[in-house]
Amino acid sequence: GAVVSQHPSRVICKSGTSVKIECRSLDFQATTMFWYRQFPKQSLMLMATSNEGSKATYEQGVEKDKFLINHASLTLSTLTVTSAHPEDSSFYICSARDASGLTYNEQFFGPGTRLTVL
Amino acid sequence: AQSVTQLGSHVSVSEGALVLLRCNYSSSVPPYLFWYVQYPNQGLQLLLKYTSAATLVKGINGFEAEFKKSETSFHLTKPSAHMSDAAEYFCAVSGGGTSYGKLTFGQGTILTVHP
Repeated sequence: GAVVSQHPSRVICKSGTSVKIECRSLDFQATTMFWYRQFPKQSLMLMATSNEGSKATYEQGVEKDKFLINHASLTLSTLTVTSAHPEDSSFYICSARDASGLTYNEQFFGPGTRLTVL
Repeated sequence: AQSVTQLGSHVSVSEGALVLLRCNYSSSVPPYLFWYVQYPNQGLQLLLKYTSAATLVKGINGFEAEFKKSETSFHLTKPSAHMSDAAEYFCAVSGGGTSYGKLTFGQGTILTVHP
């Protein structure tokens, strides 16, 4: 149980284009999802917290208009990198929190999406 | 505010040797603590977690960690390293207040296992 998927696993795009990454909780309902980015040889940095049916909360320094987050259902959150540039190239990882049961404080992580902007 | 410090960005051990990965945390409230493992180009897999129950926590793949409040530590150990343990390990803390439910990660420790 508690499986989170991400799609696509890898994407290469041209500078200036937008890229959408999907994060799905497959066997539980996730009222809260989190988006992280990880640069090579670095730790995970939280970008934003996404709550179903409401606006995402962004961490300091993360551009809201550049990283659009939508959490329209209890099993799906999307991250859209708008007008991507080479510096946006990174590994993006989502996680989901199951609001029910004993795992409330635990986050379940997706496999990540490698974004390369040329 | 909460933070995590992992001492040693790289740890190298021989197969069969003890694995010790160090983690110290800072939290203004009783914390939840986690250890995750990450293999190249993959997401994070939970090894174990401390949620204020037993201070010695056993996880998957033979790993365990001990919560020591007086030392604000949550070091990860495994008695005998296996080649498949080679990966990057992250310690994380989840606290309260404005950080409730959010995970703050340490810098990561890359574990190398030599035959």
